[in-house]
Amino acid sequence: DADVTQTPRNRITKTGKRIMLECSQTKGHDRMYWYRQDPGLGLRLIYYSFDVKDINKGEISDGYSVSRQAQAKFSLSLESAIPNQTALYFCATSDRDRGEQYFGPGTRLTVT
Amino acid sequence: GDSVTQMEGPVTLSEEAFLTINCTYTATGYPSLFWYVQYPGEGLQLLLKATKADDKGSNKGFEATYRKETTSFHLEKGSVQVSDSAVYFCALGFGGGKLIFGQGTELSVKP
Repeated sequence: DADVTQTPRNRITKTGKRIMLECSQTKGHDRMYWYRQDPGLGLRLIYYSFDVKDINKGEISDGYSVSRQAQAKFSLSLESAIPNQTALYFCATSDRDRGEQYFGPGTRLTVT
Repeated sequence: GDSVTQMEGPVTLSEEAFLTINCTYTATGYPSLFWYVQYPGEGLQLLLKATKADDKGSNKGFEATYRKETTSFHLEKGSVQVSDSAVYFCALGFGGGKLIFGQGTELSVKP
């Protein structure tokens, strides 16, 4: 079974709709991250959480919110989706001692 | 601020060719450096890492050396295969926290 899972894997939604992307991990890591990937722009950090009570904005947090429901779960919400939020979204985890992050398979979101 | 710059792609090579993907960084302090690989339709996987100057990371025939004097972490492989076709990302990070990624370099290997 995958260590980091994301649901849904694909989603098409309309402008103005609220949508939630979910991430779960079985790695036992404290730290979790949400990124978006756009062609030619690499990965940009949206939000990150170093533990359940610690939530921080990344470089592109406007239009997004997050919830850390438990150590293993970190959800990303788009309160009112807009077309330029069409992208591939990745969740990642890391532990506090080692620098590498472990990624989920991604959610492809299309906002029409 | 901290940043990572990679050579632009796509890079197209024939099977068994030598690969170099350039990566340079700007950072205050002494980051760890990473290469990640993304195969089509998948998430990113850690390929290799180096945590201090002159360290060499290696995995699956790929290598990269942390060069503090040139602020570089170029990825190399002596003989690429079709199965190496993917997007490669260079990244830097500090102390188990956030990573800063380059824009990615697409590699296509032809038989």
